[in-house]
Amino acid sequence: GESVGLHLPTLSVQEGDNSIINCAYSNSASDYFIWYKQESGKGPQFIIDIRSNMDKRQGQRVTVLLNKTVKHLSLQIAATQPGDSAVYFCAENIVPSGSARQLTFGSGTQLTVLP
Amino acid sequence: DADVTQTPRNRITKTGKRIMLECSQTKGHDRMYWYRQDPGLGLRLIYYSFDVKDINKGEISDGYSVSRQAQAKFSLSLESAIPNQTALYFCATQGTPQETQYFGPGTRLLVL
Repeated sequence: GESVGLHLPTLSVQEGDNSIINCAYSNSASDYFIWYKQESGKGPQFIIDIRSNMDKRQGQRVTVLLNKTVKHLSLQIAATQPGDSAVYFCAENIVPSGSARQLTFGSGTQLTVLP
Repeated sequence: DADVTQTPRNRITKTGKRIMLECSQTKGHDRMYWYRQDPGLGLRLIYYSFDVKDINKGEISDGYSVSRQAQAKFSLSLESAIPNQTALYFCATQGTPQETQYFGPGTRLLVL
């Protein structure tokens, strides 16, 4: 099964409201996390990343929060816009035993922005 | 111009046929990856390469093979396509292990 999972498969928000997308991970050795946005018919696009020595990181209209105690990651989007409608994936960078780092992805949350 | 390109963007093939999906990048990255994405599922790693002489199996390598022809090129082959290989395939590149991966636009494959 997936070591990275999302709490909700779909999320609908009103334009202008803030969005929060959650993600749980199971590997306590993961030390690097990424949020991707995937629009219909396109490849994933990097949004923001965070390393395990940080609890919070801010970008343009986005904030990622990392809670290592409960192995939880969240993506906050401020003032959500119609162009934010997409599937959002979290990914963790792990080191399988004796191997090099690999990214493991969750299944994604579909964000729909309502007018 | 896109940093990571994939060809073809769409492909329909028949069961038993051999097909190749190609990926090229202009980012100068050593690390390249092939993933498949199925509806409702996340990305799953097929193969990855950390340099021209390095090829590694990922989570779901059975039925697939790869070739790293140059730093900039990483091809994925389906030796004998089967319907359950119908999926969206993504190539990605990465500079260092601590950096993010950059994805191509994807190839949509349908195996009849």
